[in-house]
Amino acid sequence: AQTVTQSQPEMSVQEAETVTLSCTYDTSESDYYLFWYKQPPSRQMILVIRQEAYKQQNATENRFSVNFQKAAKSFSLKISDSQLGDAAMYFCAFSLQGGSEKLVFGKGTKLTVNP
Amino acid sequence: GAVVSQHPSRVICKSGTSVKIECRSLDFQATTMFWYRQFPKQSLMLMATSNEGSKATYEQGVEKDKFLINHASLTLSTLTVTSAHPEDSSFYICGGGLYEQFFGPGTRLTVL
Repeated sequence: AQTVTQSQPEMSVQEAETVTLSCTYDTSESDYYLFWYKQPPSRQMILVIRQEAYKQQNATENRFSVNFQKAAKSFSLKISDSQLGDAAMYFCAFSLQGGSEKLVFGKGTKLTVNP
Repeated sequence: GAVVSQHPSRVICKSGTSVKIECRSLDFQATTMFWYRQFPKQSLMLMATSNEGSKATYEQGVEKDKFLINHASLTLSTLTVTSAHPEDSSFYICGGGLYEQFFGPGTRLTVL
């Protein structure tokens, strides 16, 4: 079975600074998908970024980028130029087949952005 | 991204009653939808996988007779909590998608 571990229950960052959230996972599969989701106080889950395991290039979405280390089974999220609106719970998730397969979530990291 | 709606957003019911939660995919056809439960300050836990036209697949420890799932069309999946009790109070979220999973806004269930 796949597992996802987020070792940082809480993180804080100053507005405009950069922060990195950690995620490790365990699987015996070679093809899979990794995701970062954001859950603000409204509790709506929002997809931040997606990475296919077969792609060596790290995914980026504007201020959000990942450091995907397949051999180390590590998938960290970097948020650049942090904004107050980035404050939320961030969940790392694993799936074997993108949207048509169940997601396994980490426990989450609560990000606080200080003005 | 894809849009998933969920209704109701909040429901309060008495112990012993049944509650139905609807999940609709608005701009894609979903042969598979997923139902998660989230307790306060915890992560999402998969309850069951809803399959269009066939029986749902439940995760270990989830009572299939208590959490009835129906996926009668490619755009609608429903979760019915039967004979609800206070311990069923939680936040229920549905999700689905093609290349990535998108989520409904969730339903906060409170059982008195």
